[in-house]
Amino acid sequence: KQEVTQIPAALSVPEGENLVLNCSFTDSAIYNLQWFRQDPGKGLTSLLLIQSSQREQTSGRLNASLDKSSGRSTLYIAASQPGDSATYLCAATRGSQGNLIFGKGTKLSVKP
Amino acid sequence: DAGITQSPRHKVTETGTPVTLRCHQTENHRYMYWYRQDPGHGLRLIHYSYGVKDTDKGEVSDGYSVSRSKTEDFLLTLESATSSQTSVYFCAISENQGVGGYGYTFGSGTRLTVV
Repeated sequence: KQEVTQIPAALSVPEGENLVLNCSFTDSAIYNLQWFRQDPGKGLTSLLLIQSSQREQTSGRLNASLDKSSGRSTLYIAASQPGDSATYLCAATRGSQGNLIFGKGTKLSVKP
Repeated sequence: DAGITQSPRHKVTETGTPVTLRCHQTENHRYMYWYRQDPGHGLRLIHYSYGVKDTDKGEVSDGYSVSRSKTEDFLLTLESATSSQTSVYFCAISENQGVGGYGYTFGSGTRLTVV
């Protein structure tokens, strides 16, 4: 059974700091891995999708990497801003129907 | 996201009553999913659909049923609501599956309270 773990559960950093969020999964036979952002009381916004054949994806200040052999993905946020404060979720795809298995998220707080 | 809408956004219902949540998409995506989100459990899959009238169970399907009579609509029914079904329900859509990848788009959620 695929399990996805995110560490740390919460993180508080000062504005401007570069940071890394970690995601690990138990079954390396994933189809792809997706990072989402969730603001309080809101839905999920897709940030980055890494296909199984890829090693990383970049969007603006965000960079996500995928290492299937070690069962790990990281989300790197450069020059953090207070607007980055949110919960970040990673999810791995399981099965041919593409069902997403989610981690429980990392709650990020960026202090001005 | 404008391509996927959930209704209602909020609902309070009494224990034992049936409740239906609606997910509507304008993207013509093949796959649709219902998830619930609870503190300490994260997001868990309830049911999903891989085409019109084609549905299957997810991780936490007990007490729920779904229907998809047309591509754009996916309905989630709580047959007899219980307090344990108080949660935030999210619908998601996706275009293609398998190796090679795809992305999910989520709706804004329905906050359901069973009293």
